Amino acid sequence: QLQLQESGPGLVKPSETLSLTCTVSGGSISSGYYWGWVRQPPGKGLEWIASISYSGTTYYNPSLRSRVTKSVDTSKNQFFLRLTSVTAADSAVYYCTRDTGFVRKIDYWGQGTLVTVSS
Amino acid sequence: QSALTQPRSVSGSPGQSVTISCTGTSSDVGSYNFVSWYQQHPGKAPKLMIYDVSERPSGVPDRFSGSKSGNAASLTISGLQDDDEADYYCCSYAGGYIHVIFGGGTKLTVL
Repeated sequence: QLQLQESGPGLVKPSETLSLTCTVSGGSISSGYYWGWVRQPPGKGLEWIASISYSGTTYYNPSLRSRVTKSVDTSKNQFFLRLTSVTAADSAVYYCTRDTGFVRKIDYWGQGTLVTVSS
Repeated sequence: QSALTQPRSVSGSPGQSVTISCTGTSSDVGSYNFVSWYQQHPGKAPKLMIYDVSERPSGVPDRFSGSKSGNAASLTISGLQDDDEADYYCCSYAGGYIHVIFGGGTKLTVL
C-alpha cells in the first residue's frame, strides 16, 4: 500500500523559506505519476500548489509560481517543496499527494503537516 | 482565477439523497471532463470519491455518483449515512496556465 509522509518544520518565520519533504513508501516515485502539494489554511478550503513528474515536468499554481520550487530525489523516493518569502497567509496544513497527471485524480494523500508562519 | 462555486452547506436525513453542485466556467469545468470530488472528515486528509466527472475509485460505494452539464458538475449521495457527514470539495483541470482549481467546499450535515 502506497504511503506518503510529510516532514519539516512546524514553525517558520515571516519572510523566510518554508521547506517540506514528502517520503514515499510502498511504491516507486519513478512509476510515472505526478507528485504534488495541496494546502489548507485552518478552517478554509483546499488550494493546489504544484505537481511534478519523476522526470521533472512541473506545473505550478500561477498565484504561487514565483515563490515555489519543487524537486524530486528518485534515489531517496522523496520529493520536496520550497516556498520562499512566507507570510502569515501561508500558514496551513500542507499535504503531499500523488496524482495521475492533469490532477485528474489525487488518489493518495499524506496525513498533512501544519506549518505556522509566525515570529 | 476564482475558486469553483459550491454551496456552503447542504443537509439531509439518513436514507435520503443530496446533491452538491460545483459551478465553474467554460475555461475549466465546461472544457474538460477532469472533474473530481473529495470527501474530508475533520482532522483527516481528503479522500477521492469521484474522478473524470463520474468514475468511482474502487472501494467507493455506488451511493456516490457524479455528473456534469455545461459549466457545472454535481455530486449526488444517495441513501445518506451518518458517516457521509463531512466536507466535500470539487476540483477541475483548468488548462495549461491555471492548471487546477478547487471549489470552496460544502459541509454536508446528516440530520
